[in-house]
Amino acid sequence: GAVVSQHPSWVICKSGTSVKIECRSLDFQATTMFWYRQFPKQSLMLMATSNEGSKATYEQGVEKDKFLINHASLTLSTLTVTSAHPEDSSFYICSARVGAGVTEAFFGQGTRLTVV
Amino acid sequence: GQNIDQPTEMTATEGAIVQINCTYQTSGFNGLFWYQQHAGEAPTFLSYNVLDGLEEKGRFSSFLSRSKGYSYLLLKELQMKDSASYLCAGMDSNYQLIWGAGTKLIIKP
Repeated sequence: GAVVSQHPSWVICKSGTSVKIECRSLDFQATTMFWYRQFPKQSLMLMATSNEGSKATYEQGVEKDKFLINHASLTLSTLTVTSAHPEDSSFYICSARVGAGVTEAFFGQGTRLTVV
Repeated sequence: GQNIDQPTEMTATEGAIVQINCTYQTSGFNGLFWYQQHAGEAPTFLSYNVLDGLEEKGRFSSFLSRSKGYSYLLLKELQMKDSASYLCAGMDSNYQLIWGAGTKLIIKP
């Protein structure tokens, strides 16, 4: 299957600082990538859809100024959590699909963010 | 609205068979996915159904009934490593995945 690489796997940061998470498609081009957040024992919550060369589409309730998404190339999307607070501590996962239409989603390894 | 329902937790015995059910309501329907997620890891793809019936893949099988909005994942010859959460996801008419909360499967020796 296709490979999606996410970095870092875990990060601890101080409250008020910003954290950048990278998501790369290693062996395919992804015009669209998806960013999810998952709290313990809960479902994957879609935060935003990242579109190469254009603005991301954010889900209702997700602050676009707090969660900055940049999809500058066909193989890289980044999520920056700005001015992080302890309530932003969560598991962040990116995914990409090969092509359009009905295709399976491939996930990155996930990033465990802890804000102290 | 769109909704995916699956049990929160199930327990089964090593070597046995377990069936995890999922009911779905989506705006349009382009298929039903099952993913496995071990604690602290990202989900991995298990199966995809878009036509009615049973798809078998080794120890894992997935069933779909479109008329009933129902799917199940069947795991046979359970192994300890099968302890994980199993996520059901429906794909809507816009090809967006709608995720269930996941079923945590606990395997006991």
